[in-house]
Amino acid sequence: GQNIDQPTEMTATEGAIVQINCTYQTSGFNGLFWYQQHAGEAPTFLSYNVLDGLEEKGRFSSFLSRSKGYSYLLLKELQMKDSASYLCAVRAHNYGQNFVFGPGTRLSVLP
Amino acid sequence: EPEVTQTPSHQVTQMGQEVILRCVPISNHLYFYWYRQILGQKVEFLVSFYNNEISEKSEIFDDQFSVERPDGSNFTLKIRSTKLEDSAMYFCASSEGTATQETQYFGPGTRLLVL
Repeated sequence: GQNIDQPTEMTATEGAIVQINCTYQTSGFNGLFWYQQHAGEAPTFLSYNVLDGLEEKGRFSSFLSRSKGYSYLLLKELQMKDSASYLCAVRAHNYGQNFVFGPGTRLSVLP
Repeated sequence: EPEVTQTPSHQVTQMGQEVILRCVPISNHLYFYWYRQILGQKVEFLVSFYNNEISEKSEIFDDQFSVERPDGSNFTLKIRSTKLEDSAMYFCASSEGTATQETQYFGPGTRLLVL
């Protein structure tokens, strides 16, 4: 089966750095994606990893360790607008090319 | 910037009625998907569609569901006889291909409420 875990909620302060972890157990692995979802809106693509290591994209970075089944999303210089849910999604070989989503982490950024 | 669009944004229906949710994928994309998200729960895959046929479907996508690409731009999800538990946000997504790095772009969703 497919299992993806994320912390349910996190809180951080404006201007700070926050790390959102994701662990996965899937049969086959073909990439890990991070999406941002504001309440009542569609998920929007943030980043993608298929090889081990860190991918940096402005204030957002994502890290992957395939041997550990682990990824994290790092958000720097937090802004109030970063308050949202962050979804970890895995594309697994034996699930076609479709995404298995984690439960999402609701991040609240406080002033 | 091209985007996926969906109509209607909200749909209220009576249990047992048929609903059709509509999506217009990004124009040069070839792969189309439907996902649903029950309030407070995770996004769940329903079905993927390529070359005018279903490529993958989940266990959620039973005989009550069907998809169609009736013309060159629209992609629809039909629920034949809605149940209370079908109440959810339904997201359409599309991708250019299915290579490893291809991401899926999501529409704004249709919020379906079954009474």
